[in-house]
Amino acid sequence: SAVISQKPSRDICQRGTSLTIQCQVDSQVTMMFWYRQQPGQSLTLIATANQGSEATYESGFVIDKFPISRPNLTFSTLTVSNMSPEDSSIYLCSVRTSGNTDTQYFGPGTRLTVL
Amino acid sequence: SQQGEEDPQALSIQEGENATMNCSYKTSINNLQWYRQNSGRGLVHLILIRSNEREKHSGRLRVTLDTSKKSSSLLITASRAADTASYFCAMRITGANNLFFGTGTRLTVIP
Repeated sequence: SAVISQKPSRDICQRGTSLTIQCQVDSQVTMMFWYRQQPGQSLTLIATANQGSEATYESGFVIDKFPISRPNLTFSTLTVSNMSPEDSSIYLCSVRTSGNTDTQYFGPGTRLTVL
Repeated sequence: SQQGEEDPQALSIQEGENATMNCSYKTSINNLQWYRQNSGRGLVHLILIRSNEREKHSGRLRVTLDTSKKSSSLLITASRAADTASYFCAMRITGANNLFFGTGTRLTVIP
């Protein structure tokens, strides 16, 4: 299994500002992902964080709005840029472990409120 | 985009009863995973079922998978108030590295 921590756990931000969310895993993992969960909704994949290269974004998400870094196999950041109230969501880091299990684990999430 | 639909959207039962949630999906999958989420917090992994499996058990959980119908079900037996949460199915689509989530079922177990 993998233990994932995220910082901050929650934040309230002003419109137009940016917030960087950190994700730390207790072991090296092959793949890391960032998901968004809007209020009362299911999870939507933002991007796959690639170690040493640019992230792979899903349709509807762009690098200028959600820049992602992954400097090594245990850490990643997601920045929500130029925030608006529509960005108010829970942002979740997720990892996929190697081996036979193929299980995908999720961090505790960062609850973001934009005023 | 959503790859899976769950029904019911919400389910309310008495403690001790069984709860069944259904998940339907659209494309070929490698596996399907079920998660629980309490009050908008992180997701807890419950069980993974592979495309060549038809049924799996874990404690009070029973998951079935019918790839011909592109559907799965999660059964929670002898429910407890602590089972109150949202439950999501998530599909590992063939050829994809990530999971695509269903719409979720909100389960309320009344003590």
